[in-house]
Amino acid sequence: GAGVSQSPSNKVTEKGKDVELRCDPISGHTALYWYRQRLGQGLEFLIYFQGNSAPDKSGLPSDRFSAERTGESVSTLTIQRTQQEDSAVYLCASSGSGGLAGGNEQFFGPGTRLTVL
Amino acid sequence: AQSVAQPEDQVNVAEGNPLTVKCTYSVSGNPYLFWYVQYPNRGLQFLLKYITGDNLVKGSYGFEAEFNKSQTSFHLKKPSALVSDSALYFCAVRDPPSSGSARQLTFGSGTQLTVLP
Repeated sequence: GAGVSQSPSNKVTEKGKDVELRCDPISGHTALYWYRQRLGQGLEFLIYFQGNSAPDKSGLPSDRFSAERTGESVSTLTIQRTQQEDSAVYLCASSGSGGLAGGNEQFFGPGTRLTVL
Repeated sequence: AQSVAQPEDQVNVAEGNPLTVKCTYSVSGNPYLFWYVQYPNRGLQFLLKYITGDNLVKGSYGFEAEFNKSQTSFHLKKPSALVSDSALYFCAVRDPPSSGSARQLTFGSGTQLTVLP
Protein backbone atom coordinates (compact mmCIF):
# COMPACT_ATOMS: atom_id res chain seq x y z
CA GLY A 1 0.00 0.00 0.00
CA ALA A 2 1.05 3.56 -0.61
CA GLY A 3 0.44 4.93 2.85
CA VAL A 4 -1.02 4.43 6.29
CA SER A 5 -4.68 3.49 6.20
CA GLN A 6 -7.24 3.68 8.97
CA SER A 7 -10.76 2.37 9.35
CA PRO A 8 -13.45 3.34 9.79
CA SER A 9 -13.07 6.92 8.63
CA ASN A 10 -16.00 7.95 10.79
CA LYS A 11 -17.58 6.27 13.80
CA VAL A 12 -20.62 7.44 15.72
CA THR A 13 -21.42 5.55 18.89
CA GLU A 14 -23.49 5.86 22.00
CA LYS A 15 -22.02 6.61 25.39
CA GLY A 16 -21.05 3.40 27.17
CA LYS A 17 -20.42 1.35 24.04
CA ASP A 18 -17.04 -0.10 23.09
CA VAL A 19 -15.32 0.89 19.84
CA GLU A 20 -12.41 -0.57 17.91
CA LEU A 21 -10.30 1.47 15.52
CA ARG A 22 -7.93 -0.08 13.01
CA CYS A 23 -4.61 1.03 11.56
CA ASP A 24 -2.65 -0.51 8.71
CA PRO A 25 0.89 0.94 8.69
CA ILE A 26 3.17 1.27 5.71
CA SER A 27 4.63 -2.11 4.85
CA GLY A 28 8.03 -2.59 6.47
CA HIS A 29 7.59 0.15 9.04
CA THR A 30 8.48 -1.22 12.45
CA ALA A 31 7.26 1.70 14.54
CA LEU A 32 3.58 2.55 14.99
CA TYR A 33 2.02 5.38 16.97
CA TRP A 34 -1.50 6.35 18.01
CA TYR A 35 -2.43 9.97 18.69
CA ARG A 36 -5.64 11.75 19.58
CA GLN A 37 -6.61 15.15 18.18
CA ARG A 38 -9.45 16.98 19.83
CA LEU A 39 -11.24 19.69 17.90
CA GLY A 40 -9.02 22.75 17.50
CA GLN A 41 -6.14 21.23 19.42
CA GLY A 42 -2.81 19.62 18.75
CA LEU A 43 -2.03 15.94 18.85
CA GLU A 44 -1.86 14.00 22.09
CA PHE A 45 0.35 10.92 22.14
CA LEU A 46 -1.42 7.73 23.20
CA ILE A 47 0.77 4.68 22.58
CA TYR A 48 3.86 3.57 20.65
CA PHE A 49 4.83 0.15 19.29
CA GLN A 50 8.35 -0.71 18.13
CA GLY A 51 8.89 -4.15 16.68
CA ASN A 52 8.52 -6.85 19.32
CA SER A 53 9.39 -4.58 22.23
CA ALA A 54 6.90 -3.83 24.97
CA PRO A 55 4.72 -0.90 23.88
CA ASP A 56 5.06 2.54 25.43
CA LYS A 57 1.60 3.09 26.91
CA SER A 58 2.48 6.24 28.81
CA GLY A 59 0.00 8.41 26.90
CA LEU A 60 -3.14 6.34 27.39
CA PRO A 61 -5.57 8.57 29.33
CA SER A 62 -7.35 5.81 31.25
CA ASP A 63 -7.66 2.06 31.57
CA ARG A 64 -10.62 2.22 29.18
CA PHE A 65 -8.06 2.65 26.38
CA SER A 66 -5.97 -0.22 25.07
CA ALA A 67 -4.15 -1.11 21.89
CA GLU A 68 -2.73 -4.20 20.29
CA ARG A 69 -0.43 -4.81 17.38
CA THR A 70 0.12 -8.02 15.49
CA GLY A 71 3.83 -8.29 14.82
CA GLU A 72 4.81 -5.40 12.62
CA SER A 73 1.46 -5.03 10.89
CA VAL A 74 -2.07 -4.07 11.84
CA SER A 75 -2.88 -2.30 15.08
CA THR A 76 -6.22 -1.86 16.81
CA LEU A 77 -7.08 0.80 19.37
CA THR A 78 -9.97 -0.15 21.63
CA ILE A 79 -11.94 2.26 23.77
CA GLN A 80 -14.27 0.62 26.28
CA ARG A 81 -17.34 2.25 27.79
CA THR A 82 -16.93 5.34 25.63
CA GLN A 83 -17.54 8.77 27.12
CA GLN A 84 -18.42 12.01 25.36
CA GLU A 85 -14.95 13.40 26.09
CA ASP A 86 -13.53 10.57 23.95
CA SER A 87 -14.90 12.33 20.86
CA ALA A 88 -11.92 13.23 18.72
CA VAL A 89 -9.98 12.27 15.62
CA TYR A 90 -7.71 9.31 16.30
CA LEU A 91 -4.59 9.34 14.16
CA CYS A 92 -2.21 6.50 13.49
CA ALA A 93 1.34 6.97 12.22
CA SER A 94 4.19 4.68 11.27
CA SER A 95 7.88 5.18 10.71
CA GLY A 96 10.85 3.21 9.47
CA SER A 97 13.35 1.08 11.31
CA GLY A 98 14.32 2.53 14.66
CA GLY A 99 11.34 4.83 14.79
CA LEU A 100 12.33 8.31 15.82
CA ALA A 101 15.67 7.11 17.21
CA GLY A 102 17.07 7.43 13.72
CA GLY A 103 15.33 10.72 13.12
CA ASN A 104 12.81 9.07 10.83
CA GLU A 105 9.69 11.11 10.27
CA GLN A 106 6.28 9.66 10.95
CA PHE A 107 3.77 9.06 8.18
CA PHE A 108 0.19 9.64 9.24
CA GLY A 109 -3.05 8.02 8.23
CA PRO A 110 -6.20 10.05 7.49
CA GLY A 111 -7.60 9.39 10.95
CA THR A 112 -10.84 8.06 12.39
CA ARG A 113 -13.33 10.66 13.53
CA LEU A 114 -15.06 9.31 16.63
CA THR A 115 -18.25 10.92 17.88
CA VAL A 116 -19.74 9.73 21.16
CA LEU A 117 -23.35 10.77 21.62
CA ALA B 1 10.13 17.29 29.61
CA GLN B 2 10.01 18.26 25.99
CA SER B 3 7.53 20.94 24.93
CA VAL B 4 6.78 23.05 21.90
CA ALA B 5 4.89 26.30 21.47
CA GLN B 6 3.25 27.87 18.46
CA PRO B 7 2.41 31.38 19.65
CA GLU B 8 0.07 32.24 16.80
CA ASP B 9 -3.25 30.45 16.35
CA GLN B 10 -3.82 32.19 13.02
CA VAL B 11 -1.56 33.71 10.37
CA ASN B 12 -2.90 35.57 7.35
CA VAL B 13 -0.72 36.52 4.41
CA ALA B 14 -1.35 37.77 0.89
CA GLU B 15 -0.53 35.50 -2.00
CA GLY B 16 2.98 36.13 -3.29
CA ASN B 17 4.21 37.53 0.02
CA PRO B 18 6.67 35.70 2.26
CA LEU B 19 5.21 33.74 5.13
CA THR B 20 6.52 32.75 8.56
CA VAL B 21 4.93 30.36 11.02
CA LYS B 22 6.61 30.50 14.41
CA CYS B 23 7.68 27.66 16.66
CA THR B 24 9.73 27.57 19.85
CA TYR B 25 10.73 24.48 21.79
CA SER B 26 12.12 23.19 25.04
CA VAL B 27 14.04 19.93 25.26
CA SER B 28 16.99 18.52 27.15
CA GLY B 29 19.92 18.28 24.80
CA ASN B 30 19.89 18.69 21.04
CA PRO B 31 16.37 18.47 19.66
CA TYR B 32 14.85 16.63 16.76
CA LEU B 33 12.41 19.09 15.13
CA PHE B 34 9.66 18.52 12.59
CA TRP B 35 7.01 20.44 10.67
CA TYR B 36 3.78 18.84 9.49
CA VAL B 37 0.86 20.24 7.50
CA GLN B 38 -2.77 19.19 7.79
CA TYR B 39 -5.22 19.94 5.00
CA PRO B 40 -8.98 19.78 5.74
CA ASN B 41 -10.21 16.22 6.28
CA ARG B 42 -6.74 14.87 5.57
CA GLY B 43 -4.04 13.32 7.71
CA LEU B 44 -0.84 15.10 8.62
CA GLN B 45 1.79 15.35 5.93
CA PHE B 46 5.48 15.63 6.69
CA LEU B 47 7.13 18.84 5.45
CA LEU B 48 10.66 18.85 6.82
CA LYS B 49 12.87 17.96 9.74
CA TYR B 50 16.02 19.07 11.52
CA ILE B 51 18.18 16.42 13.10
CA THR B 52 21.69 17.77 12.75
CA GLY B 53 23.84 19.72 10.32
CA ASP B 54 22.94 22.87 8.41
CA ASN B 55 20.61 25.13 10.38
CA LEU B 56 18.55 25.92 7.27
CA VAL B 57 16.44 22.96 6.28
CA LYS B 58 14.58 22.76 2.99
CA GLY B 59 11.46 20.67 2.65
CA SER B 60 8.43 19.90 0.52
CA TYR B 61 6.41 22.45 -1.49
CA GLY B 62 9.08 25.14 -1.26
CA PHE B 63 9.00 25.39 2.53
CA GLU B 64 12.09 25.83 4.65
CA ALA B 65 12.83 26.23 8.33
CA GLU B 66 15.71 27.65 10.29
CA PHE B 67 16.97 26.05 13.46
CA ASN B 68 18.14 28.70 15.93
CA LYS B 69 19.65 27.12 19.02
CA SER B 70 20.20 30.35 20.95
CA GLN B 71 16.55 31.36 20.52
CA THR B 72 15.27 27.75 20.72
CA SER B 73 13.21 28.38 17.62
CA PHE B 74 12.39 26.52 14.43
CA HIS B 75 10.27 28.90 12.36
CA LEU B 76 8.72 27.71 9.12
CA LYS B 77 9.15 29.97 6.12
CA LYS B 78 8.31 30.27 2.46
CA PRO B 79 9.48 33.10 0.19
CA SER B 80 6.24 33.39 -1.80
CA ALA B 81 2.94 32.08 -0.44
CA LEU B 82 0.30 30.34 -2.52
CA VAL B 83 -3.42 30.14 -1.85
CA SER B 84 -3.01 26.36 -1.85
CA ASP B 85 -0.67 26.67 1.17
CA SER B 86 -3.70 27.49 3.33
CA ALA B 87 -3.81 24.75 5.96
CA LEU B 88 -3.09 23.91 9.59
CA TYR B 89 0.61 23.67 10.41
CA PHE B 90 2.08 21.77 13.33
CA CYS B 91 5.55 21.98 14.79
CA ALA B 92 6.77 18.91 16.68
CA VAL B 93 9.78 18.08 18.81
CA ARG B 94 11.38 15.21 20.63
CA ASP B 95 14.42 14.71 22.79
CA PRO B 96 17.38 12.97 21.13
CA PRO B 97 17.71 9.23 21.73
CA SER B 98 20.67 9.77 24.04
CA SER B 99 18.45 11.51 26.56
CA GLY B 100 16.64 8.27 27.32
CA SER B 101 13.28 10.00 27.27
CA ALA B 102 10.12 8.85 25.54
CA ARG B 103 10.19 8.35 21.82
CA GLN B 104 7.01 10.02 20.76
CA LEU B 105 6.70 13.45 19.22
CA THR B 106 5.28 16.34 21.19
CA PHE B 107 3.18 18.57 18.97
CA GLY B 108 2.37 22.24 19.18
CA SER B 109 -1.25 23.39 19.17
CA GLY B 110 -1.12 24.28 15.50
CA THR B 111 -1.24 27.46 13.44
CA GLN B 112 -3.94 28.04 10.85
CA LEU B 113 -2.36 29.66 7.80
CA THR B 114 -4.65 31.50 5.41
CA VAL B 115 -3.23 32.82 2.18
CA LEU B 116 -5.44 35.48 0.67
CA PRO B 117 -5.70 35.79 -3.13
